[in-house]
Amino acid sequence: GAGVSQSPRYKVAKRGQDVALRCDPISGHVSLFWYQQALGQGPEFLTYFQNEAQLDKSGLPSDRFFAERPEGSVSTLKIQRTQQEDSAVYLCASSLARTTSGRVKFFGPGTRLTVL
Amino acid sequence: QQQVKQSPQSLIVQKGGISIINCAYENTAFDYFPWYQQFPGKGPALLIAIRPDVSEKKEGRFTISFNKSAKQFSLHIMDSQPGDSATYFCAAPLTSILTGGGNKLTFGTGTQLKVEL
Repeated sequence: GAGVSQSPRYKVAKRGQDVALRCDPISGHVSLFWYQQALGQGPEFLTYFQNEAQLDKSGLPSDRFFAERPEGSVSTLKIQRTQQEDSAVYLCASSLARTTSGRVKFFGPGTRLTVL
Repeated sequence: QQQVKQSPQSLIVQKGGISIINCAYENTAFDYFPWYQQFPGKGPALLIAIRPDVSEKKEGRFTISFNKSAKQFSLHIMDSQPGDSATYFCAAPLTSILTGGGNKLTFGTGTQLKVEL
């Protein structure tokens, strides 16, 4: 596809359920980022992959959050035992590389997660 | 710790007017300052960016002004149009050699711009 795609676009979960959010980055993009955007706030960094390697997971709020990118393309963000405070839009972004040109990040439309 | 502070939180401008959004940063290690535009239901999209060795950058109706000594940068939208109504975020990347140099972004809290006819 032409841009970053994410699925599902909307997810409603009952508290305690596990969810999995998918990101398809732009083909050939080495770097992949996950961000969490609470209502009315700016996106906050969660984790970063370079190809299949997760190089930075400093933003993951708890050990209930887990991300993977096993083949260096598609990534999945998994949230176990969801809590109401996990309700947010989860954004995925990709960029070409670590170099200066890689600073241009392309964001997907996000997955809006609502935990009841 | 909020590393990028953005103001105002919301802004209403008449069509044809100038919209000005300000950001202040704390970390002098920041070396790249992008502005992102976000429409409802969409992800942020890069609008314009500046490096700290430049005091101003203009692209069409959008201009970034950068004041390194004051650690501030601002977005000016000239001849504002209703289609510019969106949320704008300033941001800065922080590259850490220890964490793989991923250019992760730190965002401001956003400015909701409404351009009225």
